[in-house]
Amino acid sequence: AQTVTQSQPEMSVQEAETVTLSCTYDTSESDYYLFWYKQPPSRQMILVIRQEAYKQQNATENRFSVNFQKAAKSFSLKISDSQLGDAAMYFCAHDSGTYKYIFGTGTRLKVLA
Amino acid sequence: DVKVTQSSRYLVKRTGEKVFLECVQDMDHENMFWYRQDPGLGLRLIYFSYDVKMKEKGDIPEGYSVSREKKERFSLILESASTNQTSMYLCASSYMSSNTGELFFGEGSRLTVL
Repeated sequence: AQTVTQSQPEMSVQEAETVTLSCTYDTSESDYYLFWYKQPPSRQMILVIRQEAYKQQNATENRFSVNFQKAAKSFSLKISDSQLGDAAMYFCAHDSGTYKYIFGTGTRLKVLA
Repeated sequence: DVKVTQSSRYLVKRTGEKVFLECVQDMDHENMFWYRQDPGLGLRLIYFSYDVKMKEKGDIPEGYSVSREKKERFSLILESASTNQTSMYLCASSYMSSNTGELFFGEGSRLTVL
């Protein structure tokens, strides 16, 4: 069965510092997508970044980047120059094209001023 | 911008009541989803629909049903609400043929069953 594990229920980071959120997954598929979604307090969840499994290059979106290790089934999110607006729940997710996205349990990120 | 609108942000219902949660999207997405979000459990798929009048069970369909009579609207129905259905419910939509797989979410409906 496909699973997504986020082992850090909560993380804190000082404003302007860098933080890395961990995610591991298990799948028997060879082609799939991985995502990081952000859920700000009382606001809708939005896509932060996505990675296609067949692409070896790590995805980057401005201050957000991933470290995708396919063999290790690891997909961590790095946030550089953290801002107060980055405070949110972050969910890692996996999709193998079946529409049955599998989500992790989430990591709550606190940004300290 | 894609907009997914959930009709109620907060609801309080009594055990045994019938509950309707409505979701409307304005981007002509084929796929629509209902998730349940609970602390420590992440998001769990209740039902999804890939076309009008089509539906498929997700991981936790028990106690729920859905309706999709129009492409833009996907309703979640709790026939007889129970206290263990107290939760945050998230609606999402996506393109059928999207090569990005991105889900677009509504703001959520927080349901409390007393």
